[in-house]
Amino acid sequence: SAVISQKPSRDICQRGTSLTIQCQVDSQVTMMFWYRQQPGQSLTLIATANQGSEATYESGFVIDKFPISRPNLTFSTLTVSNMSPEDSSIYLCSVEEWSLQETQYFGPGTRLLVL
Amino acid sequence: EDKVVQSPLSLVVHEGDTVTLNCSYEVTNFRSLLWYKQEKKAPTFLFMLTSSGIEKKSGRLSSILDKKELFSILNITATQTGDSAVYLCAVEGNTPLVFGKGTRLSVIA
Repeated sequence: SAVISQKPSRDICQRGTSLTIQCQVDSQVTMMFWYRQQPGQSLTLIATANQGSEATYESGFVIDKFPISRPNLTFSTLTVSNMSPEDSSIYLCSVEEWSLQETQYFGPGTRLLVL
Repeated sequence: EDKVVQSPLSLVVHEGDTVTLNCSYEVTNFRSLLWYKQEKKAPTFLFMLTSSGIEKKSGRLSSILDKKELFSILNITATQTGDSAVYLCAVEGNTPLVFGKGTRLSVIA
């Protein structure tokens, strides 16, 4: 199974600043996703990170606020731009693998607190 | 290293059966344990558990946490085909959120 790491593990940021979260996978994967987990809510899919092209954003999320890069099949970044306290959340990177069946793996998350 | 182990990895049952899904964990500075149901790309939140011994219920689903033995169970009674999904357990601690590999439940008519 894929092993996913994220950096930073946690951060405290000031409103109006931006933070870039990195996601590294130990094997090449086709599909990479970015999610947000706010307390007591479902995991919310922000976007699908596409290698070599622009990310595909879900309703309610835009590239200006959450720019995503995916330069290769093992790495992606999510930037949370112009942060406000409402952006305080856990941000998760996830990948999908196909072996016998479709399986999704989640990274350890980045806990972000915006003051 | 923080880890979450779910069992079984997969399960096939008939409609009407009761199932119990297991989640054990080892994390530093436990905060909460969460259960999700995943049918598509965005897992749906089911329960958040923070205290031992207090059962949480939602319809046919219920869950309980044992912080001494470091595990949780998710029960589904009178299963229906619509319960077919991957059930994920995740634990918050020093590592923001550690997921298990999930239990793939298939309910057949």
